[in-house]
Amino acid sequence: DAKTTQPNSMESNEEEPVHLPCNHSTISGTDYIHWYRQLPSQGPEYVIHGLTSNVNNRMASLAIAEDRKSSTLILHRATLRDAAVYYCILTGSARQLTFGSGTQLTVLP
Amino acid sequence: DAGVIQSPRHEVTEMGQEVTLRCKPISGHDYLFWYRQTMMRGLELLIYFNNNVPIDDSGMPEDRFSAKMPNASFSTLKIQPSEPRDSAVYFCASSFWRAGSQPQHFGDGTRLSIL
Repeated sequence: DAKTTQPNSMESNEEEPVHLPCNHSTISGTDYIHWYRQLPSQGPEYVIHGLTSNVNNRMASLAIAEDRKSSTLILHRATLRDAAVYYCILTGSARQLTFGSGTQLTVLP
Repeated sequence: DAGVIQSPRHEVTEMGQEVTLRCKPISGHDYLFWYRQTMMRGLELLIYFNNNVPIDDSGMPEDRFSAKMPNASFSTLKIQPSEPRDSAVYFCASSFWRAGSQPQHFGDGTRLSIL
């Protein structure tokens, strides 16, 4: 599976937008970009996924670069409950998820 | 809707004892995954099933670990004998496979401590 690179940590103020970057320069044409998050003491939670076009759902937006070598998860208004580790994962033909170390998001009140 | 249900939530036992972790996937899901999370190694896949059949068990650390899925609504992960290095949080996840879109739904995990 292609590798992703994320910052180890980021901070945001409550009620402000958060942009979480992910680099995946070796992505293949069939790889989907998935984002999961893990709140403290909980299992990972699916956030959003996409292939080529930008995607929106009730939780977040996913912006995918035109060359697909990077993507950004956008939380439009961060809340304290959004403090978590965010994982950017590529999935091709594999059914399983390969987790990296993710980005620890801290939301400041 | 009920999510993935794991039991027990916490397990503390002594080295050498048999440990059995249980998982009930979401009804209708055809894939079931077992992951383990430690501080040192992060989240890693142990094994996964498709339609109750084990597909990839390359992540199972050694013969002390075994997993079964006797039917579509139940799976177990067994460690015998257990060792202190098996202490971790074990997660079960399930999904319904659709081409390119396979969000996995995770349980709350079992926190295992081997003394």
